Amino acid sequence: GQQVMQIPQYQHVQEGEDFTTYCNSSTTLSNIQWYKQRPGGHPVFLIQLVKSGEVKKQKRLTFQFGEAKKNSSLHITATQTTDVGTYFCAGPFSGGSNYKLTFGKGTLLTVNP
Amino acid sequence: DGGITQSPKYLFRKEGQNVTLSCEQNLNHDAMYWYRQDPGQGLRLIYYSQIVNDFQKGDIAEGYSVSREKKESFPLTVTSAQKNPTAFYLCASSTEGAFRLTDTQYFGPGTRLTVL
Repeated sequence: GQQVMQIPQYQHVQEGEDFTTYCNSSTTLSNIQWYKQRPGGHPVFLIQLVKSGEVKKQKRLTFQFGEAKKNSSLHITATQTTDVGTYFCAGPFSGGSNYKLTFGKGTLLTVNP
Repeated sequence: DGGITQSPKYLFRKEGQNVTLSCEQNLNHDAMYWYRQDPGQGLRLIYYSQIVNDFQKGDIAEGYSVSREKKESFPLTVTSAQKNPTAFYLCASSTEGAFRLTDTQYFGPGTRLTVL
């Protein structure tokens, strides 16, 4: 079925190290979204990528949408303890008359201070 | 201060009892959603509603029911027919209308339901 796969499932880093999570779709997406969920919290929208090959930055976070619009990545430079949480990607898949936003299972990032 | 509220944050129920989780938003969003989250899992869609008095089943609707009598409110009832109800339940709303191509979602704080 239509799905979004994320790897790795878990990532533990030392503070200051870089981190990357990857998202792969079974089909071409019109856009990809990224959300962050802090431990015990709720998902918060980070960004949406729409164009093929698009790259967007938010401070230490760099988001990329693949040329074929089937994959995406989130890279964090020099992680901090505030980056701890689960990062989800999500994409709209056709579900009849509308689209369903399908979430990946997420990558849990832990940072050792 | 606009947002989505869910109450209570933690809820305990005995097996076989129905329980209703509340979700209220004052963002003036038309579309609202209920997701279930289990440890190590992504978000799975239970029900969604595009407008008042209309709602649609998501991927895992069995054992759940909803109503949408007001734009601001979208309560979820977990019935005794739900075989494994213990989970984290998240309510969300969106500006674009249910699942338009650029729809982004705003989540409430969630309710953690434990069935004993």
